[in-house]
Amino acid sequence: GAGVSQSPRYKVTKRGQDVALRCDPISGHVSLYWYRQALGQGPEFLTYFNYEAQQDKSGLPNDRFSAERPEGSISTLTIQRTEQRDSAMYRCASSLTPRGLSNNSPLHFGNGTRLTVT
Amino acid sequence: GQQVMQIPQYQHVQEGEDFTTYCNSSTTLSNIQWYKQRPGGHPVFLIQLVKSGEVKKQKRLTFQFGEAKKNSSLHITATQTTDVGTYFCAGPGVNDMRFGAGTRLTVKP
Repeated sequence: GAGVSQSPRYKVTKRGQDVALRCDPISGHVSLYWYRQALGQGPEFLTYFNYEAQQDKSGLPNDRFSAERPEGSISTLTIQRTEQRDSAMYRCASSLTPRGLSNNSPLHFGNGTRLTVT
Repeated sequence: GQQVMQIPQYQHVQEGEDFTTYCNSSTTLSNIQWYKQRPGGHPVFLIQLVKSGEVKKQKRLTFQFGEAKKNSSLHITATQTTDVGTYFCAGPGVNDMRFGAGTRLTVKP
């Protein structure tokens, strides 16, 4: 089936505006992750859901960042009062099963949303 | 928290040469995953290693997990231009997979 879908692909916004980034995971995938990837760096963990429950939001930089997954499928990452330092590629990933102690389902990444705050 | 370090940061090779990237952790890892990200693309899962000393092969790619489960390597034999990209290792954090900074491979035809 289809892979992880993210929208918009590109978002340019002015400093101080709010943005909402959408992720549609692979159908049936239990876990959904949000990562942020700076140029030349690896993905940096932001937050994680199992079904509709947010399990870990320790990676969210500050309280301007929030995420939800109300029906256990589509997720939205919201950034309020955007700042220039928020500019980055935001990637969503889903996995079939929750992270286990030894074996972990592969992460399937979307193409990301490139956010530019001017 | 747990971090994985990768070296080298960059590697430029002539087509046909071999390539190796190394991943090191200060703590024991229950497993390690490898991903490849093509230029302009997104990370794509390659493989997961779980057992101490495990070696897995995918055509020209050989993945190893150290005996102490603190390091791993990816070796590509006779690189091709299709191997271009950034290779990431990722180890488990509390609830997520923690990615290294990656090794960016370029191949000269």
